Amino acid sequence: GQQVQQSPASLVLQEGENAELQCNFSTSLNSMQWFYQRPEGSLVSLFYNPSGTKQSGRLTSTTVIKERRSSLHISSSQITDSGTYLCAFMPNYNVLYFGSGTKLTVEP
Amino acid sequence: GALVYQYPRRTICKSGTSMRMECQAVGFQATSVAWYRQSPQKTFELIALSTVNSAIKYEQNFTQEKFPISHPNLSFSSMTVLNAYLEDRGLYLCGASRQAEVFFGKGTRLTVV
Repeated sequence: GQQVQQSPASLVLQEGENAELQCNFSTSLNSMQWFYQRPEGSLVSLFYNPSGTKQSGRLTSTTVIKERRSSLHISSSQITDSGTYLCAFMPNYNVLYFGSGTKLTVEP
Repeated sequence: GALVYQYPRRTICKSGTSMRMECQAVGFQATSVAWYRQSPQKTFELIALSTVNSAIKYEQNFTQEKFPISHPNLSFSSMTVLNAYLEDRGLYLCGASRQAEVFFGKGTRLTVV
């Protein structure tokens, strides 16, 4: 089956530190997305990133298709960044396979 | 913009009964809708992919007999959880595709008592 290895499983930072989340995919991908999962469960799409680097504020996503990996960088972390981040890849169009998530805790 | 609405947001059903959840795409044509489940302490699992005018494809461990899906047009899909038991509890999300990007509803949280 499709496999997504996401790391780390959890991460504790002090406010202001940077975070680097990684995902590796077992098969070639057409695309991938990064999500933030709200406490009540719903998903917020952070990046739709088929390849290359995309930036939005303090968040940067880099996907290297030929190496089957993607990363999410959070700079100058804030307490409000705490939560669960999920990567998901799309080996074929229309379906996503999710990583197990990274639980980020940012402390004051 | 592309929005996906799911209904209901939360539901409680008795063990052995069934419940239906709905997914509505607004502002775009969802040629494909995929249903996912996040069980407690787990990540999201793909249940099935529904594409208009094509057969619904179920993932391993999920069947049409247990999770029948209807996808009558480009904006609406529904899925029923038949004979729900404790292991069916969790958050169910529908993801509607616009080209290669997937947009999610806020989910239906199912509790089985």
